[in-house]
Amino acid sequence: EVQLVQSGAEVKKPGESLKISCKGSGYSFTTYWIGWVRQMPGRGLEWVAIIYPGDSDTRYSLPFQGQVTISADKSITTAYLQWSSLKASDTAMYYCVKVDYGAISGAFDVWGQGTMVIVSS
Amino acid sequence: DIQMTQSPSSLSASVGDRVTITCRASQAIKNYLAWYQQKPGKVPKLLIYAASTLHSGVPSRFSGSESGTDFTLTINSLQPEDVGTYYCQNYNNVPLAFGQGTKVEIK
Repeated sequence: EVQLVQSGAEVKKPGESLKISCKGSGYSFTTYWIGWVRQMPGRGLEWVAIIYPGDSDTRYSLPFQGQVTISADKSITTAYLQWSSLKASDTAMYYCVKVDYGAISGAFDVWGQGTMVIVSS
Repeated sequence: DIQMTQSPSSLSASVGDRVTITCRASQAIKNYLAWYQQKPGKVPKLLIYAASTLHSGVPSRFSGSESGTDFTLTINSLQPEDVGTYYCQNYNNVPLAFGQGTKVEIK
């Protein structure tokens, strides 16, 4: 069974750093793009960033460029999303997603369970 | 960047009704359009990809179609379990933008 299992909920203060994870299993981790989607409370879905674990090629949505870093460790089939300095506006649910097919142009066919990030002083 | 404009933002329909949701792309995206369903408090799920191909396990009352840059999600015979928010998404190229969402409720 193809699965994406994300790390648990986080409560952080503004200015702190954070790295959340997403472990893929049941498929060839290095040959499918994997990404992150943000959902702020009561709001819609926003694509954040995507990475190809095979060669670490990355793409970012413009609003998130420079605000977050996506990475992947293919030795442990895990993708990450990290912040160096959190803001209250980063408070949201973050979903890890796998792209169907072996190209960037594919639908998100598998979703992780979500990681809730709360940033509050 | 390609913009995805989804309408309506919400709708209320009776069980058994036919429901239609529209998504318009600001430029050509071929058929690289997906539809997702998010039930209240749940993780989004893929319903349709390539504009009209049903994802595995999706009930046949869901269907998708395209006409140029206009895409449509149809739910034939709305069921109580279809309550939720539906999103379209362009995956032709980055940014992999979502529509604003359509909230579907039962009248």
